[in-house]
Amino acid sequence: GQNIDQPTEMTATEGAIVQINCTYQTSGFNGLFWYQQHAGEAPTFLSYNVLDGLEEKGRFSSFLSRSKGYSYLLLKELQMKDSASYLCAVKDSNYQLIWGAGTKLIIKP
Amino acid sequence: SQTIHQWPATLVQPVGSPLSLECTVEGTSNPNLYWYRQAAGRGLQLLFYSVGIGQISSEVPQNLSASRPQDRQFILSSKKLLLSDSGFYLCAWTLGLEADEQFFGPGTRLTVL
Repeated sequence: GQNIDQPTEMTATEGAIVQINCTYQTSGFNGLFWYQQHAGEAPTFLSYNVLDGLEEKGRFSSFLSRSKGYSYLLLKELQMKDSASYLCAVKDSNYQLIWGAGTKLIIKP
Repeated sequence: SQTIHQWPATLVQPVGSPLSLECTVEGTSNPNLYWYRQAAGRGLQLLFYSVGIGQISSEVPQNLSASRPQDRQFILSSKKLLLSDSGFYLCAWTLGLEADEQFFGPGTRLTVL
């Protein structure tokens, strides 16, 4: 079967750094995505990794290791507005996205 | 620029009633269109996707159906809603299966009582 695992919930402090991990087992691999979803809203795209390594976009970075079936999203200089759920998704061999359940990130002042 | 619309934003329906949710995309042609459902605290479950007019692929057997009567219109329907149909319904589009990003509509919050 296909499976995406990520922690259910994490708590961090404003101004700090947090790393959200994602492990996956899918039939084929055509890229890994991270989306941010605020409560009651639609997901918005954060990052896309298809090759091993680190992709940096401002305060957010995403890392991929295809051999380990592993990715992480790194958020730096946390702000209160970063409180949201972070969804990891993998595009499988049929180019369909398989979604994790999301990690709810709580930022405390 | 491209825009995706969904309506209604919220809906409360009794068990056994019909359902029709509509999604339209502006500013692009021949998009791939997707319907997802998200239960509370869960990930997105792909329900249907379409690569063209009249072409619908179903991912999960259930009492829902989808139609694509026009290039940029995608409709999700049910003849009789179940309690388990409650959830957050999201429409999304991409340009081609290999696209890097899916763009989501604002979603419809459906509560079946």
